[in-house]
Amino acid sequence: AIQLTQSPSSLAASVGDRVTITCRASQDIDSVLAWYQQKPGKAPKLLIYDASTLESGVPSRFRGSSSGTEFTLTISSLQPEDFATYYCQQFNTYPLTFGGGTKVEIK
Amino acid sequence: QVQLQESGPGLVKPSQTLSLTCTVSGGPITSGSYHWSWIRQPGGKGLEWIGRIHTSGTTKYNPSLMSRVSISIDTSKNLFSLNLNSVTAADTAVYYCARDMDDSGYDYWGQGTLVTVSS
Repeated sequence: AIQLTQSPSSLAASVGDRVTITCRASQDIDSVLAWYQQKPGKAPKLLIYDASTLESGVPSRFRGSSSGTEFTLTISSLQPEDFATYYCQQFNTYPLTFGGGTKVEIK
Repeated sequence: QVQLQESGPGLVKPSQTLSLTCTVSGGPITSGSYHWSWIRQPGGKGLEWIGRIHTSGTTKYNPSLMSRVSISIDTSKNLFSLNLNSVTAADTAVYYCARDMDDSGYDYWGQGTLVTVSS
């Protein structure tokens, strides 16, 4: 199975900060990768698909990018509602797999 | 607006079968080229993909669960179902159903249902 390694596993940041989360795939996944935001007690919410396409209705401060097997989610200016856990997921190869998550907390 | 709603027992005894349904509203489950999936999340942990069924009926499962899992679709009732047999405490989790189109991310999710495996 393709492993997705997210880093860091957690981070503390302030409102207005630029935040970067990395997801590294154990093999080529042809950029078929999605990013989700999950808040406590809620289902995940799709932010980005195909590594860099912003889902409809998602604020433009969220950006996805890729370089080979390394994928990045960037939040350009962290807002209070962005404190949550973020997951990456690959759709390239079965079984579909998720990264371990990155928890973004308030500094 | 598409909505997904999980339903089923919240408590299952060890060695028995966990059965959940996901009712889809807001459109026919067979419209478009969608996959309908089950995903679970043990308390405080990450997400695990269980498997999915295409509108054509083709299924794919996580090998870690393949011997115990089946997913089916009932187009007459606009729902799809999960059966997981021989459950243990390790199967205790929040179970989500979700939809994706052409591998472009899960755009619609149910609210999740907690299933506890305990005697």
